[in-house]
Amino acid sequence: EVQLVDSGGGLVQPGGSLRLSCAASGFTFSDYAMSWVRQAPGKGLEWVSGISGSGGSAFYADSVKGRFTISRDNSKNMLNLQMSSLRAEDTAVYYCAKGMHSGGWLPFDYWGQGALVTVSS
Amino acid sequence: QSVLTQPPSASGTPGQRVTISCSGSSSNIGNNYVNWYQQLPGTAPKLLIYRSDRRPSGVPDRFSGSKSGTSASLAISGPRSEDEADYYCAAWDDSLSGGVFGGGTKLTVL
Repeated sequence: EVQLVDSGGGLVQPGGSLRLSCAASGFTFSDYAMSWVRQAPGKGLEWVSGISGSGGSAFYADSVKGRFTISRDNSKNMLNLQMSSLRAEDTAVYYCAKGMHSGGWLPFDYWGQGALVTVSS
Repeated sequence: QSVLTQPPSASGTPGQRVTISCSGSSSNIGNNYVNWYQQLPGTAPKLLIYRSDRRPSGVPDRFSGSKSGTSASLAISGPRSEDEADYYCAAWDDSLSGGVFGGGTKLTVL
């Protein structure tokens, strides 16, 4: 059974940093691209970043480019999102999501339960 | 402002066919598949339609998808009360080199 477990959320001050993690199980992790998708309170979904199965390619939304870094450890089946220079507008539930097809970025067939990040002083 | 445009709300009775539209451009819907997600309150999104018109196993056949040019639609034939949820379209955008979502449509079953 595929499982994605998000962790690392919390309260952080503006300008601060936070690292999210997603523990994956139930599939060959290195075969699939993974992404982070966020949802601000009461708002819609926003794709944040994606990384290829090998980790050799990564893409970012303009809203986080230069501040967030996505990475993965295929030996530990872990996906990470290092977030720095955090702003109030980064407050959201962050979901990790698995690409459905080997080698494809979209769609996402499995999602984590989400990790809440609150940026506030 | 979302890259893909959806109506904020839709409604219908169990005897009707409800459609939700999703409008984009040549860099996203026009050149890539469209995917649809259902999000029930307080839960993670669930994949409903992929590759514009395919249903993952377990998704009822009352849900269907279509695409034409730079627009796509999700249809729900005979919506049930358990279908009350937010629905999002999504696609890859070649110009942005990233995924893009619609703003979401809240479905109410009357």
